[in-house]
Amino acid sequence: KNEVEQSPQNLTAQEGEFITINCSYSVGISALHWLQQHPGGGIVSLFMLSSGKKKHGRLIATINIQEKHSSLHITASHPRDSAVYICAVSGGGNQFYFGTGTSLTVIP
Amino acid sequence: NAGVTQTPKFQVLKTGQSMTLQCAQDMNHNSMYWYRQDPGMGLRLIYYSASEGTTDKGEVPNGYNVSRLNKREFSLRLESAAPSQTSVYFCASRNRGRDEKLFFGSGTQLSVL
Repeated sequence: KNEVEQSPQNLTAQEGEFITINCSYSVGISALHWLQQHPGGGIVSLFMLSSGKKKHGRLIATINIQEKHSSLHITASHPRDSAVYICAVSGGGNQFYFGTGTSLTVIP
Repeated sequence: NAGVTQTPKFQVLKTGQSMTLQCAQDMNHNSMYWYRQDPGMGLRLIYYSASEGTTDKGEVPNGYNVSRLNKREFSLRLESAAPSQTSVYFCASRNRGRDEKLFFGSGTQLSVL
């Protein structure tokens, strides 16, 4: 069983659509991270959450600690948002648990 | 400020050859990590280092060794490469605290023939 589950695995959207990617985890955490990986590219950190909600431009991330669930929302999606989005959790120690990622394609 | 620098970007090895992947960060982070990324699987931890001079095994350490000689550098060595080690490798570092964040290198695509 994976400690971190993401859904959907793959997502195709039309430009301008509102997108939601979900992350559920089964371990106690101190922080949850959303990461972005462009095709053939490196991995960049988008958000770190320990509670509540964060917003950066068109990206919004929320976390519900009681339900062990986080969502990443993209408003007014654009083709440049096409990437793999990865959820990762840390339990306060040195290790992280990673989801397998959600591959997003935004069509013009 | 370069962040995490990882070399090489690409490497092809024959079975049994050895190589070292280099990683350096200039952000004064204590924690550094080596991950491998395979299709359909999440990032899997090979080794990590909580501070200079210390290293610990992760989920998939077999066939690898690491070295953390100073705070900046954390290298990963494959002593005798096997086709099962064909993967994309990422080095990462982490700053802890309220603004905890992971910083990744650009990745190394390794093929073992």
